[in-house]
Parts: sequence; structure tokens; C-alpha cells
Amino acid sequence: EVQLVESGGGLVQPGRSLRLSCAASGFTFDDYAMHWVRQAPGKGLEWVSGINWNSGSIGYADSVKGRFTISRDNAKNSLYLQMNSLRAEDTALYYCAKDTVPTVTGRGAFDIWGQGTMVTVSS
Amino acid sequence: SSELTQDPAVSVALGQTVRITCQGDSLRRYYASWYQQKPGQAPVLVIYGKNNRPSGIPDRFSGSSSGNTASLTITGAQAEDDADYYCNSRDSSGNHVVFGGGTKLTVL
Repeated sequence: EVQLVESGGGLVQPGRSLRLSCAASGFTFDDYAMHWVRQAPGKGLEWVSGINWNSGSIGYADSVKGRFTISRDNAKNSLYLQMNSLRAEDTALYYCAKDTVPTVTGRGAFDIWGQGTMVTVSS
Repeated sequence: SSELTQDPAVSVALGQTVRITCQGDSLRRYYASWYQQKPGQAPVLVIYGKNNRPSGIPDRFSGSSSGNTASLTITGAQAEDDADYYCNSRDSSGNHVVFGGGTKLTVL
């Protein structure tokens, strides 16, 4: 079964850090680009970051650039998001999503999504 | 603010045809993808590329594009199509992915 399972979310104080993980199974992980997409409560989808199949190309939304770092470990079929200097506006459900192509500059079509992990930034 | 613009809400009578649109300058260069999201669930890809449906997506869903507007058409809307629909594509620079604000589809 093709599956993405996120973990690592929780309640964190403003200014602190959190690391999200995404475990992939059921497909050849290193054949595809991977992305993080978030959704604030009651709001729409927002692309956060993407990484191509070999980590050679990475992109970030302006809202997180300089604070968040995406990475992947193809040997472990895992995707990560290191989130530093967290703000209240980072509160959201964070989804891991698989692209349909190897490159992060492809069409941006995400065919597999996890169920998300909730991040709440509050004092 | 999103570089892709969608109508916040659209309604359709059961069995009728509805078109959901997505506008943005980047759509002159890049195709849009379309996602369906139901409450409490992750998004599901329904259309990508010129007009491609992933396995398992009913053929009543179709996509098209003209100029700066991409469209998702549901021909013969069903009750289970009642959901939020989002478009996405690359932004004007081509360096980032951007989502539209979403359209709440109500099937009457």
C-alpha cells in the first residue's frame, strides 16, 4: 500500500524549534520529488517546501525561507522538515506530499498525501 | 496573497454540470493540478497536466485551460462531490508551487 505517515508535531512555544518526519512506503521513494504543504485551521492549502529526488534542488515559500529546512534520507525512505524560530502563524496541519515527477521544478502535481501532523505554536 | 484566484463558493444541482475556475498569470505557461478535499481528510489529486486523471478518479472530472484560466469540470455532479477544491501550479517565477484559495462546492 502506498503510504505517507507524518510525525513530530505538537505544541511549541514561539521562537522554539520542531522537526517533522514523513515515512514513505509502497513506492520507490527516490524516484520522486517530495513536498511539505500546510493548512492553518479553517484555511486553505499553502505550499511550504519541496525537494527533488536527490536533494539537488530545494525550494521554500517566502513565509518560511531562512527558518525552515527540508531534507530527505532516501536510504530510510524519509522526508524531514526542520522548523526553527517558530511563530504563531506557523500553526497548521502539516502534510507530506509526493510529486508525480523527480524534480521539484516539475508540474507540482501531488498524487499521494499523508494524513498530516498538527503543529501549534503558542505560549 | 495567492497568485492563483478561485471563486470562494460554487453550487450545482445534483446531476448537473459545474465548472470551477482558477486564474493566474503563471497558468499561461504551466498547467494547473486540481485537488478535492473533504472535511477532516487529506487532499486528493483529481486532475493534473493537460487533462490527466489519477487511477480511481471518476471520468466525470475533467480539466481544461485557456489563456490565464484553468478549469475543472464535473459533468453530472454527485452528492459525494460536495467538497473543497483547490488548484495549484508553479508561480510566475517558476521557482515555487502556489495554491489557489480554494472553492467550496455545494451539491444541491
